[in-house]
Amino acid sequence: AQTVTQSQPEMSVQEAETVTLSCTYDTSESDYYLFWYKQPPSRQMILVIRQEAYKQQNATENRFSVNFQKAAKSFSLKISDSQLGDAAMYFCALAVSGGSNYKLTFGKGTLLTVNP
Amino acid sequence: SAVISQKPSRDICQRGTSLTIQCQVDSQVTMMFWYRQQPGQSLTLIATANQGSEATYESGFVIDKFPISRPNLTFSTLTVSNMSPEDSSIYLCSVLPDSPYEQYFGPGTRLTVT
Repeated sequence: AQTVTQSQPEMSVQEAETVTLSCTYDTSESDYYLFWYKQPPSRQMILVIRQEAYKQQNATENRFSVNFQKAAKSFSLKISDSQLGDAAMYFCALAVSGGSNYKLTFGKGTLLTVNP
Repeated sequence: SAVISQKPSRDICQRGTSLTIQCQVDSQVTMMFWYRQQPGQSLTLIATANQGSEATYESGFVIDKFPISRPNLTFSTLTVSNMSPEDSSIYLCSVLPDSPYEQYFGPGTRLTVT
């Protein structure tokens, strides 16, 4: 079974500053994917960034980047130059590939507040 | 990516009644999923609905309570049966396209049971 742990229920950041959200996971599989999703008050789940476990290079998407530490099973999200629109619930998620056994497992989420 | 729509976007229902939620995708996908998100909580998988086979339910969810249809590769429905106030949640449809390996979500249906 897979588990995803987000130890920070809430975080806050000043506009234009940088914030890092933490995530650890556990799986016995060698082939898996990690994701960060954003859910603003509109409740739409938005995919922020994806990391394949077999890739050593950390994924980046504009102001969003990850620090993927495979041995430590850690997958943190860094948001640079924070904007008011970044305020949302952020979910870390793990997907183990494998056809019909595919399942996406979510952490409990981190509520990010951006202060003007 | 995939664009997903859900109907209704929200509803208020009486205890003991049933509600059917529709999910429409703009492209053909094999794997579709239904999630429940209770207030302030994370997402919980209800079932996986693959076209051409019976839905697979997660522990704690049963077909009599949450019957699912998947008549084709772009459409699915989830029915919440014999509702109680504990069923008040957001219900989300989600799909996994063949490529890229990324799961996409619909806008959700906010259900309130009184």
